[in-house]
Amino acid sequence: QVQLVESGGGVVQPGGSLRLSCAAYGFTFRSYGMHWVRQASGKGLEWVAFVRYDGSEEQYSNSVKGRFTISRDNSKNTVFLQMNSLRLEDTAVYFCAKESVAGPDYWGQGTLVTVSS
Amino acid sequence: DIEMTQSPSSLSASVGDRVTITCRASQSISTYLNWYQHKPGKAPKLLIYATSTLQSGVSSRFSGSGTGTDFTLTISSLQPEDSATYYCQQSYSSWTFGQGTKVEIK
Repeated sequence: QVQLVESGGGVVQPGGSLRLSCAAYGFTFRSYGMHWVRQASGKGLEWVAFVRYDGSEEQYSNSVKGRFTISRDNSKNTVFLQMNSLRLEDTAVYFCAKESVAGPDYWGQGTLVTVSS
Repeated sequence: DIEMTQSPSSLSASVGDRVTITCRASQSISTYLNWYQHKPGKAPKLLIYATSTLQSGVSSRFSGSGTGTDFTLTISSLQPEDSATYYCQQSYSSWTFGQGTKVEIK
């Protein structure tokens, strides 16, 4: 079955960088776009970034544009989120999700990123 | 950017009640509207896509309707396991979530 496993979260100081990974299992990874979505504590879901199935197109929310980069390695069935210039407000659980014609259909359990001095 | 507004932000209802959550888009999104259920510590779950199509394996007590800017999610007979936060999401132009509706069981 479809499984998405995020990793790479942790504690980082403001202005620092972190790279998240999401390993995919149970489907033909190279055929699907992938998303990152986050949820700050006590807040709702916020879409962050999307990468097309072949990596040829990326989209970002205004809140992370210019600071975050989404990428993928189809040979390793993995999608990444490089986060630079981190701010306190980037503190959240970050989920990866598989795209479908219906929108993001399968999601991981999330990895926690804490930006704190 | 398209903004999504849900109402109410929370509700409390009894087992067996009919529950309706509304979602309004800041501009027309045709039927590019999905609904998710999210329980604490779990992965969000896709319930309904394209406004009214039930995702495989989802209970038929969930249904969706609407078009343009106004949409609804209905739970026909609330069950204890339906306690969760529900989000609408548009996929017409990029992706945006509503702020969520927390459903509690009385």
